[in-house]
Amino acid sequence: GAVVSQHPSWVICKSGTSVKIECRSLDFQATTMFWYRQFPKQSLMLMATSNEGSKATYEQGVEKDKFLINHASLTLSTLTVTSAHPEDSSFYICSAKWSSTDTQYFGPGTRLTVL
Amino acid sequence: AQSVTQPDIHITVSEGASLELRCNYSYGATPYLFWYVQSPGQGLQLLLKYFSGDTLVQGIKGFEAEFKRSQSSFNLRKPSVHWSDAAEYFCAVGLYNFNKFYFGSGTKLNVKP
Repeated sequence: GAVVSQHPSWVICKSGTSVKIECRSLDFQATTMFWYRQFPKQSLMLMATSNEGSKATYEQGVEKDKFLINHASLTLSTLTVTSAHPEDSSFYICSAKWSSTDTQYFGPGTRLTVL
Repeated sequence: AQSVTQPDIHITVSEGASLELRCNYSYGATPYLFWYVQSPGQGLQLLLKYFSGDTLVQGIKGFEAEFKRSQSSFNLRKPSVHWSDAAEYFCAVGLYNFNKFYFGSGTKLNVKP
């Protein structure tokens, strides 16, 4: 149980365009979802935490106007990278948990390449 | 500053040999501690976690970890490594009622036949 999916698994886009990444909890209701960014050979960096129906809480240094996060339902959160630039190329990973659990369940990640 | 440190970027061990991956944390209180494994191009899988109680915790795939408060460490161990254990391992700290997770920089494990 506790499966989290992400779509797409990889995406290539042109500089200046926007890209939306979906994160879904398939078999549980995710009260909280997290978005991470992972640069090559580096660790995961927490970008933001979102609770269903609330605005996301962004980590220091993460541009909220550039990385739009929506957690409209208990099974879906979306990350939109607006006006993407090559420096936004990265591996984006989401995770989800329900309120009574201590464990985050991770999605398989989305590889974004901005040309 | 709060941090999670994994001092070893790469480790290579022979199949069948024992393994220890190091993790140190720097937080005011005893945090909640986790070890995750990431296979290439995939998400993270939880190996084990420590919150309180017995400082030696058992996880999946034959892994265990020991919490040492005096050393602020949570090292991951396995008595006999299998080729399928080759992956990247991340130590993580959970804070604020598990609503913030911070990860170490990871240790990439290579297994020699």
